[in-house]
Amino acid sequence: DADVTQTPRNRITKTGKRIMLECSQTKGHDRMYWYRQDPGLGLRLIYYSFDVKDINKGEISDGYSVSRQAQAKFSLSLESAIPNQTALYFCATSVQGAYNEQFFGPGTRLTVL
Amino acid sequence: EDQVTQSPEALRLQEGESSSLNCSYTVSGLRGLFWYRQDPGKGPEFLFTLYSAGEEKEKERLKATLTKKESFLHITAPKPEDSATYLCAVPKTDSWGKLQFGAGTQVVVTP
Repeated sequence: DADVTQTPRNRITKTGKRIMLECSQTKGHDRMYWYRQDPGLGLRLIYYSFDVKDINKGEISDGYSVSRQAQAKFSLSLESAIPNQTALYFCATSVQGAYNEQFFGPGTRLTVL
Repeated sequence: EDQVTQSPEALRLQEGESSSLNCSYTVSGLRGLFWYRQDPGKGPEFLFTLYSAGEEKEKERLKATLTKKESFLHITAPKPEDSATYLCAVPKTDSWGKLQFGAGTQVVVTP
């Protein structure tokens, strides 16, 4: 079984709809992250959480919100989806510490029409 | 501002034709550099961490090296299964827990 899972894997929705992307991990890591990936722009950080009670905005948090329901679960919501939120979304986890390589889920491909 | 620049953007190789990818960075006080491999439609897969200038790491046909200003990923005698996008990342200056990623180098290895 995969250590970091994301649901759904693919989603097509319409402008204005509320969407939730879910991430679960069995690695026992405290830190969790949400990224989006667009062609030519690389991975950009949306939100991150260093523990259950700690939520922080990343570089592109506008239009998104998150919820850390437990150490193992971190959800990303698009309150009112717009077409330029069409992208690949990745969840990642890491242990605490300075040199913390991150481990990524398989991704969610989101299309907003 | 933290920046990570990868070159070239794309690389097409014949099977067995060795080459190198470059990752240059501008961060205050490097605290590590990470290399990832990403296959189309999949999440990045961790390859290496390099902690200090002069360090080298190897995995199969891949070898990563680090200097004070850049890192190289050398692909020796590549095979078609080495085709992927290779990403590098460094911890951001304002928070070691966050990573700054480069845009990646897309490598295609043809038989």
